[in-house]
Amino acid sequence: DQQVKQNSPSLSVQEGRISILNCDYTNSMFDYFLWYKKYPAEGPTFLISISSIKDKNEDGRFTVFLNKSAKHLSLHIVPSQPGDSAVYFCAAVPMDSSYKLIFGSGTRLLVRP
Amino acid sequence: NAGVTQTPKFRILKIGQSMTLQCTQDMNHNYMYWYRQDPGMGLKLIYYSVGAGITDKGEVPNGYNVSRSTTEDFPLRLELAAPSQTSVYFCASSYSTDTQYFGPGTRLTVL
Repeated sequence: DQQVKQNSPSLSVQEGRISILNCDYTNSMFDYFLWYKKYPAEGPTFLISISSIKDKNEDGRFTVFLNKSAKHLSLHIVPSQPGDSAVYFCAAVPMDSSYKLIFGSGTRLLVRP
Repeated sequence: NAGVTQTPKFRILKIGQSMTLQCTQDMNHNYMYWYRQDPGMGLKLIYYSVGAGITDKGEVPNGYNVSRSTTEDFPLRLELAAPSQTSVYFCASSYSTDTQYFGPGTRLTVL
């Protein structure tokens, strides 16, 4: 039973265009969400997060949007760069276990020069 | 700061062998975690620790053991390796309850 779902295993975009990565969740008791980026042969690195009391958080080229009614969040990368090519994981934090992360299966992003 | 370090990077085990995956962090974090990542899947929590001497099970603890005798170290023990434990193992740590910092991973194959 996957509580956090990333239904697109891969995404390919042209350099300079927008990348939109999507994540859906089923548990309304999640109150914090994070995106991690992972290069091959490395551990995941934190990218950006959002609290459930917000609907948007922005950090440079990266923006995360949260739609609580739809239980959906998305990561927008604008403009996309070849160095953004990586696997992106969405993760959620339950209210009752605030140090446990529930991960999605990841989306592999390829940014074409 | 080295952050989170893991050894070894790669290991091949035979069925029934045992081994310990080492994890050390130098950020003085109280919280430490072990995850496994199977191909095409997200990371699943095996065990976690909220401080020295305190450990608890995550989603997939069967076949593993942990200990936390110091703040810095959080080793993961496999007692009787099975092919189902072929995976990439990540150790992570955090100061508080949000951002976790990950090590580079250990790729384990059980044949």
